[in-house]
Amino acid sequence: AQTVTQSQPEMSVQEAETVTLSCTYDTSESDYYLFWYKQPPSRQMILVIRQEAYKQQNATENRFSVNFQKAAKSFSLKISDSQLGDAAMYFCALVTTSGTYKYIFGTGTRLKVLA
Amino acid sequence: DTGVSQNPRHKITKRGQNVTFRCDPISEHNRLYWYRQTLGQGPEFLTYFQNEAQLEKSRLLSDRFSAERPKGSFSTLEIQRTEQGDSAMYLCASSFFEGTYEQYFGPGTRLTVT
Repeated sequence: AQTVTQSQPEMSVQEAETVTLSCTYDTSESDYYLFWYKQPPSRQMILVIRQEAYKQQNATENRFSVNFQKAAKSFSLKISDSQLGDAAMYFCALVTTSGTYKYIFGTGTRLKVLA
Repeated sequence: DTGVSQNPRHKITKRGQNVTFRCDPISEHNRLYWYRQTLGQGPEFLTYFQNEAQLEKSRLLSDRFSAERPKGSFSTLEIQRTEQGDSAMYLCASSFFEGTYEQYFGPGTRLTVT
């Protein structure tokens, strides 16, 4: 069975500061993708960043970057220069490249950004 | 393209009633997923369509639930004889067959069963 664990139900960060959200996962598959999605209040989920498991280089998207530790099955998200608009629920998701490509989600981390 | 749309956005129903939700995926996407999200939890997979074929159903999808995707376009999710435990956000997502496995999500339908 595949699992995704987010151990931080809630995090706070001061505007312009940096915050790291944690995610660990478990799968026996060798080929998979990991995602971070953002879900603002009452709005739809949008993709923040994607990491292919076969790539050693950590993905970056502007202020967002990941620390992908494959052996440790860890996939954390770093948000630099936090902005008020970053406040949202953040979900870590795993998809393997076999089967139907359904997502396995973590329980989410609520990020609060303090002005 | 305006993305994935879902209707209605909110539905309040009495226990025992039937409800139907609709999802319109991004037009060129042939994969369609339904997820259920309860308060404080991440979305959980319900079912998957590739074109019009329903290829996987979760054990969460009891026999009161049925989903269709006629002609491989929009999809409907019906819940018969609703129960209070069905109260949740129902999310639809779509993706393109040849791609990066990224799914595009709709805004969801929030169901409240009273």
